[in-house]
Amino acid sequence: GDSVTQMEGPVTLSEEAFLTINCTYTATGYPSLFWYVQYPGEGLQLLLKATKADDKGSNKGFEATYRKETTSFHLEKGSVQVSDSAVYFCALAGGYQKVTFGTGTKLQVIP
Amino acid sequence: GAGVSQSPRYKVAKRGQDVALRCDPISGHVSLFWYQQALGQGPEFLTYFQNEAQLDKSGLPSDRFFAERPEGSVSTLKIQRTQQEDSAVYLCASSTGDEQFFGPGTRLTVL
Repeated sequence: GDSVTQMEGPVTLSEEAFLTINCTYTATGYPSLFWYVQYPGEGLQLLLKATKADDKGSNKGFEATYRKETTSFHLEKGSVQVSDSAVYFCALAGGYQKVTFGTGTKLQVIP
Repeated sequence: GAGVSQSPRYKVAKRGQDVALRCDPISGHVSLFWYQQALGQGPEFLTYFQNEAQLDKSGLPSDRFFAERPEGSVSTLKIQRTQQEDSAVYLCASSTGDEQFFGPGTRLTVL
């Protein structure tokens, strides 16, 4: 079945550091790929998405590129802020859009 | 407009009690999903509705779990004879297509 593997956290970075959170997937067909974010005390929010190979999703300075050849969708941001501290989930959806999530990566940004 | 709402936000149950969790999707959203999120894990799919039809219930962990959406809008997830392993956050999401919008979740604690 479908699965998502993402790097374990927690990840601790200083403000303005470069962020990479690795994500790889296994799926049949051509799924859509997502990054969701869960801020402390809040619900899941869609951060960005890509629906086909080589698409780049971007939002709030974050970006990720759908790489079919490496089955990856790594999340990057050039300069993180304290307000980016949250849990980040890589996910995929196929068919009727049932979403399969990774286990989440907690990011802590320190001033 | 209003997002997805869920009630109650927190529920404490004694082992063996029945519980009912409610989800109010975004008005007009045809698709509705339930997910279970254990502590420190990503959400896992439970069941999917398209209007009032339950098209996939493959993620329900046992026959103690039952979901309904009788009029194609509000949905209820019922858990009978709760067990400690049922303790988790239960998330509801609604969708019209490519993006799912998540509610804040109900945190269920079974003592």
